[in-house]
Amino acid sequence: GAVVSQHPSWVICKSGTSVKIECRSLDFQATTMFWYRQFPKQSLMLMATSNEGSKATYEQGVEKDKFLINHASLTLSTLTVTSAHPEDSSFYICSASGGQGATNEKLFFGSGTQLSVL
Amino acid sequence: QKEVEQNSGPLSVPEGAIASLNCTYSDRGSQSFFWYRQYSGKSPELIMSIYSNGDKEDGRFTAQLNKASQYVSLLIRDSQPSDSATYLCAVINTGGFKTIFGAGTRLFVKA
Repeated sequence: GAVVSQHPSWVICKSGTSVKIECRSLDFQATTMFWYRQFPKQSLMLMATSNEGSKATYEQGVEKDKFLINHASLTLSTLTVTSAHPEDSSFYICSASGGQGATNEKLFFGSGTQLSVL
Repeated sequence: QKEVEQNSGPLSVPEGAIASLNCTYSDRGSQSFFWYRQYSGKSPELIMSIYSNGDKEDGRFTAQLNKASQYVSLLIRDSQPSDSATYLCAVINTGGFKTIFGAGTRLFVKA
């Protein structure tokens, strides 16, 4: 149990375009989902926390108008990188809490999305 | 001071040895602690969770927690080359769902 699916696994786009990344909890209802960004050889940096049916909470320094998060259901959260630029190139990872048989604190991660902006 | 600190390594141990990974945290009110393993280019996977002072063993892995010293460690016995990865220490901050990750320690197990 506690499987989190993330798509796409990788995406290459031109500068100025928007990219949507989906994160789905396949076998449990995720009350909270988290979006992280990871640059090469660096740790996970929390970008935002999203709760189903409410606005996402963004970390300091993360532009909410650039990184749009939607958590419309208990099984789906999306991150849209708007007007992407080369500096947005990174590994984006979603995670969810609320897995069956586990506390709400353990995080289960999606497989990540490698974004490359040309 | 970083909220969760780890030695970035790399830590190199021979196959069959014990690997010891350490982590300190700044939020004294934290109650939940985790170790995740991350292979290059992959997302993290949960290895261990620990909530009480003392040791917790799961197979070749032992997590140790000392809240008074604000210190968490992970021991890997009989290290295997497949254990070579980055190990992330994670702490849930006081009062919230927010999980704070350390920068990770890179472990190399030499065959």
